[in-house]
Amino acid sequence: GQQVMQIPQYQHVQEGEDFTTYCNSSTTLSNIQWYKQRPGGHPVFLIQLVKSGEVKKQKRLTFQFGEAKKNSSLHITATQTTDVGTYFCRNTGGFKTIFGAGTRLFVKA
Amino acid sequence: NAGVTQTPKFRILKIGQSMTLQCTQDMNHNYMYWYRQDPGMGLKLIYYSVGAGITDKGEVPNGYNVSRSTTEDFPLRLELAAPSQTSVYFCASSYSMGLAAYEQYFGPGTRLTVT
Repeated sequence: GQQVMQIPQYQHVQEGEDFTTYCNSSTTLSNIQWYKQRPGGHPVFLIQLVKSGEVKKQKRLTFQFGEAKKNSSLHITATQTTDVGTYFCRNTGGFKTIFGAGTRLFVKA
Repeated sequence: NAGVTQTPKFRILKIGQSMTLQCTQDMNHNYMYWYRQDPGMGLKLIYYSVGAGITDKGEVPNGYNVSRSTTEDFPLRLELAAPSQTSVYFCASSYSMGLAAYEQYFGPGTRLTVT
């Protein structure tokens, strides 16, 4: 499967600040999925992006797929303590699915 | 629907012991997966299955075995447990139709310690 690199590895923000995590690949991605894992929990599906340049929103979360389908981003506006956790991207090409290493978000109240 | 269930939730093994991690899904998904997640790290694919009777290796299969005799069940077998197998193990399943990709549903995980 194609490797995806996620940056940053972790980020500390003050509640109310914005947060962005990036998922990058050197080759064209099939589709991108984003998952969230709360501390001590299991990954939960957030969204799937399929088309080049696609943008989807879920309340304060904005997901983008790059025009060349080589990168994707997840942006959270005005973070809240409930946003704490690790955000993973996953390239869905092929049976051997590859998850990024994740970005761990810490939110200070 | 219970979704994906895993047993046990926790287990402590001694080096050299064996055990089976159970995974069951009630969503009639044909794809099932086993991942391990080391502390503070990402998910590594151990084995996956695209249907009953069909399994294949993922990124880190050494020290593990799987079987898929039914659509619902996908047990993971650890033979001769080693400290390096201390991890959280997640089972997941997904629907499939042709080459289309669908979301994965994860179980709550099994926390395994080998000492």
